Amino acid sequence: QQQVRQSPQSLTVWEGETAILNCSYENSAFDYFPWYQQFPGEGPALLIAIRSVSDKKEDGGFTIFFNKREKNLSLHIKDSQPGDSATYFCAAAYTGGADRLTFGKGTQLIIQP
Amino acid sequence: GPKVLQIPSHQIIDMGQMVTLNCDPVSNHLYFYWYKQILGQQMEFLVNFYNGKVMEKSKLFKDQFSVERPDGSYFTLKIQPTALEDSAVYFCASSLGINTEVFFGKGTRLTVV
Repeated sequence: QQQVRQSPQSLTVWEGETAILNCSYENSAFDYFPWYQQFPGEGPALLIAIRSVSDKKEDGGFTIFFNKREKNLSLHIKDSQPGDSATYFCAAAYTGGADRLTFGKGTQLIIQP
Repeated sequence: GPKVLQIPSHQIIDMGQMVTLNCDPVSNHLYFYWYKQILGQQMEFLVNFYNGKVMEKSKLFKDQFSVERPDGSYFTLKIQPTALEDSAVYFCASSLGINTEVFFGKGTRLTVV
């Protein structure tokens, strides 16, 4: 059973629009949720992260909205640019989990100019 | 930013042979990880390592797998003997401490033939 699910698998938006990437999880013990951005041929790089005590985290044009009761979260990319085209992975971990990250399968985001 | 280097980027090996994947983690980091990603699937945790010891391993970390960091140099993943199902991209990662940012390498694509 997949612990972290992402949707959609692939998303295309126009430059300047807000892209919304979704993530849900199974394990209520998860309390740390990082999003990783990966470009082709590169390793995943931490983009933004949220802890379960918060319901929103903003960093530049990236915002995470977190709903603990529903066990889901979303990443909003405001004013998206072609350079934001990448694969985005939602991950989850729990305190004391020795940073054992559980990843989703990723959303491939394409920003059309 | 800090870099985790993985060598080689691609390795092809005959089934049954031994392979060693090398990782040069970020220089002052203390925690080291291996993740495995089969094509089209999510990245999955294999093992984490601290102070010369394995802290936690997943059920994907078969008996044929071993990790070490001899003389504080490369952090290595050895597979002996290799099997066809070991074909995947292996990502090395490191972090300064527990619950701090985890940095990933670009991955080594292992093809077992």
